[in-house]
Amino acid sequence: EPEVTQTPSHQVTQMGQEVILRCVPISNHLYFYWYRQILGQKVEFLVSFYNNEISEKSEIFDDQFSVERPDGSNFTLKIRSTKLEDSAMYFCASSGALNTEAFFGQGTRLTVV
Amino acid sequence: QQQVKQSPQSLIVQKGGISIINCAYENTAFDYFPWYQQFPGKGPALLIAIRPDVSEKKEGRFTISFNKSAKQFSLHIMDSQPGDSATYFCATKRIFNTDKLIFGTGTRLQVFP
Repeated sequence: EPEVTQTPSHQVTQMGQEVILRCVPISNHLYFYWYRQILGQKVEFLVSFYNNEISEKSEIFDDQFSVERPDGSNFTLKIRSTKLEDSAMYFCASSGALNTEAFFGQGTRLTVV
Repeated sequence: QQQVKQSPQSLIVQKGGISIINCAYENTAFDYFPWYQQFPGKGPALLIAIRPDVSEKKEGRFTISFNKSAKQFSLHIMDSQPGDSATYFCATKRIFNTDKLIFGTGTRLQVFP
């Protein structure tokens, strides 16, 4: 069964450092998303990406965040200068042409120290 | 109009019992209502979903009931099992466009033997 894969599974970084979270969406999907989940809390939308551009972003997705789909298979989330409050699980998701069922990856646990 | 209210926050059920989780939405433009199941350290996984043209959908022990006029939908887990212990999130969105999923706050279900 096709799946969304995310790497790394856990990343520890120092405050102020840049991190790149990587995702390989399901191959024929067209819609790509990043969400995050602070421990024990709800799943929060960060950004959606369609047709090689951002289609929507939340207020969390400020100038420190960026996304790229550099080679048609990978989908990355970059945080330029991490803050303590960026510590969370980050989930990548993708969905197909009708954009109904969203498939989530296993997540990257980001710990900023 | 973008909120989804979910209750209860936590639920304890004995094995074999019925688990019921409720959600309410505000935006009548939403037309896709999935439920996601999340185990600790994993990404959300789609459990079952419904469109507003039907009032109920059943898949095995899991049933969604949908009340369009009340703008509410619920998940019923029949014959609950310890393996069902997880966090459940309702969500909603408009399909056929770039909209993201809007998640409820989650319900932590514990099923005791």
